[in-house]
Amino acid sequence: NAGVTQTPKFRILKIGQSMTLQCAQDMNHNYMYWYRQDPGMGLKLIYYSVGAGITDKGEVPNGYNVSRSTTEDFPLRLELAAPSQTSVYFCASSSGGQGENTEAFFGQGTRLTVV
Amino acid sequence: GDSVTQMEGPVTLSEEAFLTINCTYTATGYPSLFWYVQYPGEGLQLLLKATKADDKGSNKGFEATYRKETTSFHLEKGSVQVSDSAVYFCALSDSGTGNQFYFGTGTSLTVIP
Repeated sequence: NAGVTQTPKFRILKIGQSMTLQCAQDMNHNYMYWYRQDPGMGLKLIYYSVGAGITDKGEVPNGYNVSRSTTEDFPLRLELAAPSQTSVYFCASSSGGQGENTEAFFGQGTRLTVV
Repeated sequence: GDSVTQMEGPVTLSEEAFLTINCTYTATGYPSLFWYVQYPGEGLQLLLKATKADDKGSNKGFEATYRKETTSFHLEKGSVQVSDSAVYFCALSDSGTGNQFYFGTGTSLTVIP
């Protein structure tokens, strides 16, 4: 029962460095999402995907990139890290559609600090 | 566009007090509604959900009723415990907007003995 797995849990980056946040789900969900959570600000959608090979921008995509080569994996790439990207990042997945099985399942989060 | 507005926090209650956290929504289609809970240092966990009007979601003593006429989904619990201390998020998913999830800003609850 792994669900949604995110790695790493913590990371410190220097300004200008790049990194990839990994996300994998084992529930065969079509929909996957990346959110960032800033203190007192709720969750903001960065990117989402409705299936392998399909991605789209969310509310705050600048400074990030994603890919979805398989159903299971949805990595988030940070290029040229900036202090404004200091946040907690959550990956989530859902089956999509309507009815009883519509909830999103979340990973444990990645706490990123850019210094 | 779709959005969720929930009661600002933080909320501090004594153990066994009654809890209400208000949540209202705006949606273009027929959304499903959710309450998620986040304990310190953890991800969001589904607390309860309702997928159509007049449905009541319930779990661990918490309840919320999907009210289409007032576009609301208020969270209630009759007697809170210290272990309920967490941040609560109201959310909606709307198939009319590609199954995106929209979250409120979260309400921090602290229950004191």
